[in-house]
Amino acid sequence: EAGVAQSPRYKIIEKRQSVAFWCNPISGHATLYWYQQILGQGPKLLIQFQNNGVVDDSQLPKDRFSAERLKGVDSTLKIQPAKLEDSAVYLCASSHPGTDTQYFGPGTRLTVL
Amino acid sequence: KQEVTQIPAALSVPEGENLVLNCSFTDSAIYNLQWFRQDPGKGLTSLLLIQSSQREQTSGRLNASLDKSSGRSTLYIAASQPGDSATYLCAVRPEGGSEKLVFGKGMKLTVNP
Repeated sequence: EAGVAQSPRYKIIEKRQSVAFWCNPISGHATLYWYQQILGQGPKLLIQFQNNGVVDDSQLPKDRFSAERLKGVDSTLKIQPAKLEDSAVYLCASSHPGTDTQYFGPGTRLTVL
Repeated sequence: KQEVTQIPAALSVPEGENLVLNCSFTDSAIYNLQWFRQDPGKGLTSLLLIQSSQREQTSGRLNASLDKSSGRSTLYIAASQPGDSATYLCAVRPEGGSEKLVFGKGMKLTVNP
């Protein structure tokens, strides 16, 4: 079974630029999560999708961050414009409905200069 | 607001030692608690999941316990090996709402040969 795929693995941009991250969850997993992990911190949930609907986006900075999950499969997380404090690893995870285990991708490491 | 604490932030031990990793959380209204492992440059791997009604879970050399009323969990690693070197994160799923996880900052473990 293929795991959660994310791309790119690394991204370096300057502040005020925009960036997008892509996630492909495990086949059949209806629930998809985006987490932000700042260096030295635990991951923090940004947004949770159930199929293509948003379940929780309470910690998503909506003035600059957006996410979509078209057709209930792949998802894209966008930051526009980026700030220095957005430097972090962005982790995507997915889970099967009715189960508690979340499977994480390798993450995208973003550096904002 | 749920907060998860892991102390110490780092631990270095010689190979073969039995280890106890601690996790505490401020709100006992949790659905479950999970222990994850994170290797450098990689995503998170779920090690053990304890439902709120359970007291412990075991997998190989790992044993996790949960005392929900006191807001504590421990991860016991028997006969540590250099391959156990990684960052270990504790996460709780609060009752109600989405399946979001609230993570601690993690504990970086180094097992020296």
